[in-house]
Amino acid sequence: DTEVTQTPKHLVMGMTNKKSLKCEQHMGHRAMYWYKQKAKKPPELMFVYSYEKLSINESVPSRFSPECPNSSLLNLHLHALQPEDSALYLCASSASPYSNQPQHFGDGTRLSIL
Amino acid sequence: QQQVKQSPQSLIVQKGGISIINCAYENTAFDYFPWYQQFPGKGPALLIAIRPDVSEKKEGRFTISFNKSAKQFSLHIMDSQPGDSATYFCAASGGRDDKIIFGKGTRLHILP
Repeated sequence: DTEVTQTPKHLVMGMTNKKSLKCEQHMGHRAMYWYKQKAKKPPELMFVYSYEKLSINESVPSRFSPECPNSSLLNLHLHALQPEDSALYLCASSASPYSNQPQHFGDGTRLSIL
Repeated sequence: QQQVKQSPQSLIVQKGGISIINCAYENTAFDYFPWYQQFPGKGPALLIAIRPDVSEKKEGRFTISFNKSAKQFSLHIMDSQPGDSATYFCAASGGRDDKIIFGKGTRLHILP
């Protein structure tokens, strides 16, 4: 079992739907991350939250909207997604926002866009 | 300069053998080199990590060898077991970016 919990584990949505992915950690970590992973590829960074503030947005399309309500929670709001957005979406956290700190990943949400 | 090159892309090893995965980097500002293990349907799990002030780190059957002058590091899995079959990602981070740069991954299969 991982210490970063993601829900739902699977999500199927149409291109006009609005849905949200959720991530929770209770390790007291102050940095949280969203990654996208396609099959047989490494994770690609999307967003970084540092002390609950967005610090990095890797030029992600606006149909993905992150939110960090508090230091333990991270959401990713989805709207009007495209078929190419089908992927595994991973959340991670680290004790501090410096890149030389271990990142702990959840098991992801498998997203399919119809 | 931000790339981490990983090889081989796939690897088949007999049970009990040694699995070796190699990575190379260019950015001398990198100061943290983790390895992640990922099973199908799961997220990457931190396996072992090293910082450039040491040349080797061992945890159980897993060893990282680090060559700072050559800008290379490698993962050795001793006495490889079928349960080690997974995808392994090397990574590097440090410097001005708060990002981890991943290698492209190695799919390891241990034959029973």
